[in-house]
Amino acid sequence: GESVGLHLPTLSVQEGDNSIINCAYSNSASDYFIWYKQESGKGPQFIIDIRSNMDKRQGQRVTVLLNKTVKHLSLQIAATQPGDSAVYFCAGARDHNTDKLIFGTGTRLQVFP
Amino acid sequence: DVKVTQSSRYLVKRTGEKVFLECVQDMDHENMFWYRQDPGLGLRLIYFSYDVKMKEKGDIPEGYSVSREKKERFSLILESASTNQTSMYLCASSSGQGVPYEQYFGPGTRLTVT
Repeated sequence: GESVGLHLPTLSVQEGDNSIINCAYSNSASDYFIWYKQESGKGPQFIIDIRSNMDKRQGQRVTVLLNKTVKHLSLQIAATQPGDSAVYFCAGARDHNTDKLIFGTGTRLQVFP
Repeated sequence: DVKVTQSSRYLVKRTGEKVFLECVQDMDHENMFWYRQDPGLGLRLIYFSYDVKMKEKGDIPEGYSVSREKKERFSLILESASTNQTSMYLCASSSGQGVPYEQYFGPGTRLTVT
């Protein structure tokens, strides 16, 4: 069936370094992907999204890359800060007709000084 | 800003009790969702509603039902709570119009069934 997954359950980076969080998906019909950040005790919050007609999109300190050939996307965080510590989820649209998403299992990003 | 609120942050119930989890959104969104979140499993969709009184089963609807009598409110009902329903429950909404798919989440309700 359709799936969206994340490569690593935990990623530890030093403050100031760049972080790269990876995600793979299996549904070729997904035309939209989104990254969420979930801090402890809070609900997921939108970070950045990308449509399948793009291969790169940049936000403030974040970049999402989409490789449709290998069905892989990544979230890059520049100059990682302690406030970036959270669980990061990727999600993909299930189909074109609804807003339903399939979520990955999440990667916990730990930032150490 | 979109605001999604959930009636309780923490809830402890006994096995067999009927449990109601309430969710309210203030942005006139068409779509509302209930998920449960468990370690290592990510977010799994329980039920989805695309309009008042309209609902659709998600991936794990067994043991749950939902109600949407008003556009802004979406309730999740555990008919007879069981210990395997101990989890974090997240409600979300999305506009269903314009830019699709972005869902806005509430803070979650951590339910413990003893």
